[in-house]
Parts: sequence; C-alpha cells; structure tokens
Amino acid sequence: DAGVTQSPTHLIKTRGQHVTLRCSPISGHKSVSWYQQVLGQGPQFIFQYYEKEERGRGNFPDRFSARQFPNYSSELNVNALLLGDSALYLCASSLGSSGAFTYNEQFFGPGTRLTVL
Amino acid sequence: AQSVTQLDSHVSVSEGTPVLLRCNYSSSYSPSLFWYVQHPNKGLQLLLKYTSAATLVKGINGFEAEFKKSETSFHLTKPSAHMSDAAEYFCAHFKAGGTSYGKLTFGQGTILTVHP
Repeated sequence: DAGVTQSPTHLIKTRGQHVTLRCSPISGHKSVSWYQQVLGQGPQFIFQYYEKEERGRGNFPDRFSARQFPNYSSELNVNALLLGDSALYLCASSLGSSGAFTYNEQFFGPGTRLTVL
Repeated sequence: AQSVTQLDSHVSVSEGTPVLLRCNYSSSYSPSLFWYVQHPNKGLQLLLKYTSAATLVKGINGFEAEFKKSETSFHLTKPSAHMSDAAEYFCAHFKAGGTSYGKLTFGQGTILTVHP
C-alpha cells in the first residue's frame, strides 16, 4: 500500500512569491495535518483538516492557508514568502474519525523542502 | 500547556555501546508520547509509542523507552548502537481534545552520531 505522498520534493522560490504544496493521504485516511520543520528544530504544527473542515490551527500567520479536497488530498498555500519560510514541510495523515488516539495516529510523508531566496 | 524537552541536542556513541536519548514531558494528564527518527533528507518514522498501557515500550530496530511518571520522563534506549542508527531523533507529545482530532508537539531533536 502506498504511504503518504507529497509533491514536489524540492522547491525554490523567491521572497514575495506564492507556493502550493500537495499531499495525498494513505488510502482510507480522512484527516491530514501539516507541519513545518525549520532546519535544526522539531516540526511545528500548522493545520489539521478532517472531512474538508479545519480542525486545528497552529501559531502561524494568515499567509498560511490550506484546504482538503473530496478525495481527502490536501494543499498547503503560503503567500508573500519570507526567507524564514524556508523549511521542510511535512504532511501526516490519520484515520481521524474519533478523538481516540487509535484513530489519530499520524503517518508522515517524506516532506517538501522549500527554499526561499 | 503540554510540552516535551529533549535534554541533549547531540549524543555521540561508539558502535556496539548503549544509546540513551533523554526526553522529559510536562502534561496535566496522562500523556501519549512518541519517539520518531529522521534520517537525512527523509520524513519521520515512528520508533515507538506510549499510550497508557505498559510503561516499558518496545519499538522497532531494538529501541525501547520507559515511561516514568514520577520523573516525567520518557527516555529512549538501545543496548547496542549500530552505524545505521545515526540520525536525528524526536520525542513528541500527542494532544487531542475540543474540535481537534489531535496534534503532535515535538521536542527540539537529538542528533545521534555513531562512531566505528
């Protein structure tokens, strides 16, 4: 079975540009979460979506937005890129049908490496 | 607020010697705790998880961790390091509640170096 997939694997943008990152969850998973991992730090939670609705948001500016599609894939959008947005962006999927942990264990994709020049 | 603290940013061991990576947590209730490993330019791989069952948790690749409530710790150990264990390790806390179906809060990471 395919795991979580993300595209593209690498991306280079310049300051002020916009970027869209994509994630396809494991088949049968309805929840997608996004994390930002800046070099030398642990991942930080950005968003969680379940059944196309936002279920959680981390402490990120409004330049960051996301959405989930009917097939449960997801996009993360970042506007007006800053140098500090350079990071590895990780997507994780989970069953997400209940508050119980069993349904919320998160499986991570390989990430998209974004470099902002 | 719930959080995890990894006490060492770097740990260096010789191949065949024990590994100890330290993690302390703060939580107002019984936590769900995890250890993930990240090899260079790769995503996160789950090593093991504690979810209020046995306090000694066995994971993949010979790793295990012990949940100690009295010490608020969840240290990761391995009896004998292998060169392939060289990677960055993250301790994480899972929180669910409210309208959220859960998020992970990660520590800063510990880079494990294994010398021949």
